[in-house]
Amino acid sequence: DQQVKQNSPSLSVQEGRISILNCDYTNSMFDYFLWYKKYPAEGPTFLISISSIKDKNEDGRFTVFLNKSAKHLSLHIVPSQPGDSAVYFCAACCGDNAGNMLTFGGGTRLMVKP
Amino acid sequence: DGGITQSPKYLFRKEGQNVTLSCEQNLNHDAMYWYRQDPGQGLRLIYYSQIVNDFQKGDIAEGYSVSREKKESFPLTVTSAQKNPTAFYLCASSIFSTYNEQFFGPGTRLTVL
Repeated sequence: DQQVKQNSPSLSVQEGRISILNCDYTNSMFDYFLWYKKYPAEGPTFLISISSIKDKNEDGRFTVFLNKSAKHLSLHIVPSQPGDSAVYFCAACCGDNAGNMLTFGGGTRLMVKP
Repeated sequence: DGGITQSPKYLFRKEGQNVTLSCEQNLNHDAMYWYRQDPGQGLRLIYYSQIVNDFQKGDIAEGYSVSREKKESFPLTVTSAQKNPTAFYLCASSIFSTYNEQFFGPGTRLTVL
């Protein structure tokens, strides 16, 4: 049973436009959410996170929105750049587990066309 | 420079052989993790360790073993009992407290022939 789902395996956008990546979760105990970016044959790199006490967190071109009632979060990238082309993973954490265990979604491959 | 190193980058082994993947970190993190990624899939947790000399099974621990004798090191052994070992293996570490991100190494691509 997947507790974190990214229902779009891929997304293609034009350079300069907005990219919106979506993520749904089922475990209402999750209270911390993260987005990672991954290039082929490399380890994921942390992008941005959000605590469940917030509904928005912004860092430069990246903004994460959290809708707790819908158990849904999204990552907005504005403006999108060709270098943003990668696989993006959302992850959820914490709540009822000790430490820092992350549950990952299946990833969305973003392609930004010049 | 602080970070996580994994070696080797690519590893080839014959079926039936055990193989050990290295993971070292100099971030002074207490917690370390091993994940497996298969093509088109997310990261699945194999084992994790929150403190030296202690480790716990993750979601897919069967056919794998680990040790945590030093804070900096968390090697993963892929045994012959693992039915489908060909995959991309990622090691991560974090501060052992809630609400902190994990930092990942560059990964090891294991191919079993």
